Amino acid sequence: GAGVSQSPSNKVTEKGKDVELRCDPISGHTALYWYRQSLGQGLEFLIYFQGNSAPDKSGLPSDRFSAERTGGSVSTLTIQRTQQEDSAVYLCASSLGWSLEQYFGPGTRLTVT
Amino acid sequence: DAKTTQPTSMDCAEGRAANLPCNHSTISGNEYVYWYRQIHSQGPQYIIHGLKNNETNEMASLIITEDRKSSTLILPHATLRDTAVYYCIVRVNRGRDQKLVFGQGTRLTINP
Repeated sequence: GAGVSQSPSNKVTEKGKDVELRCDPISGHTALYWYRQSLGQGLEFLIYFQGNSAPDKSGLPSDRFSAERTGGSVSTLTIQRTQQEDSAVYLCASSLGWSLEQYFGPGTRLTVT
Repeated sequence: DAKTTQPTSMDCAEGRAANLPCNHSTISGNEYVYWYRQIHSQGPQYIIHGLKNNETNEMASLIITEDRKSSTLILPHATLRDTAVYYCIVRVNRGRDQKLVFGQGTRLTINP
């Protein structure tokens, strides 16, 4: 079946602009996670959704980062006033339940110039 | 912070078994051991997980020591496509803390 999909696959933006990254989880998966991977920081957790609510936002690096999930499916990660240090690959994962194995999408490579 | 220690890199010959160790000496009784891998330019891929007993699936086997302070992921017949970074992660399976905490992992290179 279809896996986790993310769009766009690549995004280049100018410093100070806002960006939106989209994640389509596997159909029926109730839990959704955002991570990012950068050269200096490795793979780090950002936020987790169970249904439409976010019990754990502890990984969001600043108030410029926000995420929402509607209809228990698609999620959008928004970064406002992007900075060069936001450049990274943003990965989305979903799982059937909040305790089960996570399946990752291919990621969105964000480059802030 | 990651609660696991893994070698930075390992090499294995194609067709041989690849044995990847992981130390998790501070693991709690309710924490599971998970293994993921990340092939270059792809998202991480779930491999296997276990609590106390050894586990096997179509991808790999997981051997957990009796004291649960270490484990070994075994790829029985490694292929070139198994070249990847392998992450050992410990995590509880209930409660609000559902994030995966990735360490640096082991970069496994399968040589022809």
